[in-house]
Amino acid sequence: SAVISQKPSRDICQRGTSLTIQCQVDSQVTMMFWYRQQPGQSLTLIATANQGSEATYESGFVIDKFPISRPNLTFSTLTVSNMSPEDSSIYLCSVLPATANVLTFGAGSRLTVL
Amino acid sequence: KNEVEQSPQNLTAQEGEFITINCSYSVGISALHWLQQHPGGGIVSLFMLSSGKKKHGRLIATINIQEKHSSLHITASHPRDSAVYICAVRSGGSQGNLIFGKGTKLSVKP
Repeated sequence: SAVISQKPSRDICQRGTSLTIQCQVDSQVTMMFWYRQQPGQSLTLIATANQGSEATYESGFVIDKFPISRPNLTFSTLTVSNMSPEDSSIYLCSVLPATANVLTFGAGSRLTVL
Repeated sequence: KNEVEQSPQNLTAQEGEFITINCSYSVGISALHWLQQHPGGGIVSLFMLSSGKKKHGRLIATINIQEKHSSLHITASHPRDSAVYICAVRSGGSQGNLIFGKGTKLSVKP
């Protein structure tokens, strides 16, 4: 299965600043997914990142707040912009391998906004 | 009502006990996944099921499509099994979105 390197693993940020999270995959994948997991909650899909086109955002998430880049088939970034304490969450990237049998996630980025 | 419900929400067990975690869903699915999330946040895929039963080491996962229910069993539990176990269903074919349960937090005491 694919291996994902996600960073940073954690960060503490000030209100109003922005943070970019990176995911590097060791193989080419068509679709990459960005999730948010708020404390005590299940994972929520933010957007699907496809190479060569704009990311597709889920209801409640907008590009201005969560801009995504997907420059090639092995890399993607998610930026959390103009952060507030409500953005404190774990953010995870995930890929859908060709077999679609094994879900693969990055290690997660635990973000705390003060 | 959530589309994917897990029970129990929290579970504490003594080392060696047999553990069962349940997952019920209300949508049509093409597959069901059991995931393990450790305190650092990273998620590991345990099983993908579309029917029947799968076993890997001390872990057993079953699914009943008619009843829209799945169970994850851990035999001879160990403190290193302590984690959050998440059930996720895939609707709308193999490319469909995943719907996640809230997870079951398992703590196994030595």
